[in-house]
Amino acid sequence: EPEVTQTPSHQVTQMGQEVILRCVPISNHLYFYWYRQILGQKVEFLVSFYNNEISEKSEIFDDQFSVERPDGSNFTLKIRSTKLEDSAMYFCASSDEWANTGELFFGEGSRLTVL
Amino acid sequence: DAKTTQPTSMDCAEGRAANLPCNHSTISGNEYVYWYRQIHSQGPQYIIHGLKNNETNEMASLIITEDRKSSTLILPHATLRDTAVYYCTLNNAGNMLTFGGGTRLMVKP
Repeated sequence: EPEVTQTPSHQVTQMGQEVILRCVPISNHLYFYWYRQILGQKVEFLVSFYNNEISEKSEIFDDQFSVERPDGSNFTLKIRSTKLEDSAMYFCASSDEWANTGELFFGEGSRLTVL
Repeated sequence: DAKTTQPTSMDCAEGRAANLPCNHSTISGNEYVYWYRQIHSQGPQYIIHGLKNNETNEMASLIITEDRKSSTLILPHATLRDTAVYYCTLNNAGNMLTFGGGTRLMVKP
């Protein structure tokens, strides 16, 4: 069964460092997403991406965040200068539908720990 | 500010049906009801969705009230592997899902 894969599974970084989280969406999907979950809290929407540009973003997704699809398979989330509060599980997701008839396929997540 | 409310936790005996309720009294006409679940800290897993008709798939059934203000997810024969947090969420387009606290379902032997 096709799946969304994410790397790394866990990254530890120092505050102020840049981090890139990588995702390989399901191959025929066109819509890509990042969500995050701070430990013990809710899963929160960050950003959606389609046709090489951001479609929607939440208030969380400020200037320190950026997304990119550098090639035909990868979808990345960059955090420019990490803060302690960026420590969370980051989930990538993809779908082949924009409207209401499809489902989101989530990856297993990348755990980011900022020290 | 989640638009859905769910009980915090529920228990269910293995082999029995698990009925998970969700209130979404402010749902708008173009919003679908989606259910996902999260096992431990894994990525959320899609279960089922619907607009106004009841839906069934290999995982579960979704019962939506006629006024669409509430719904119930039914796992017909719960197993220990169904122990998870179950999220009811609304989606009107774009898959910008808002996950609330969900219901922590504990399936017991």
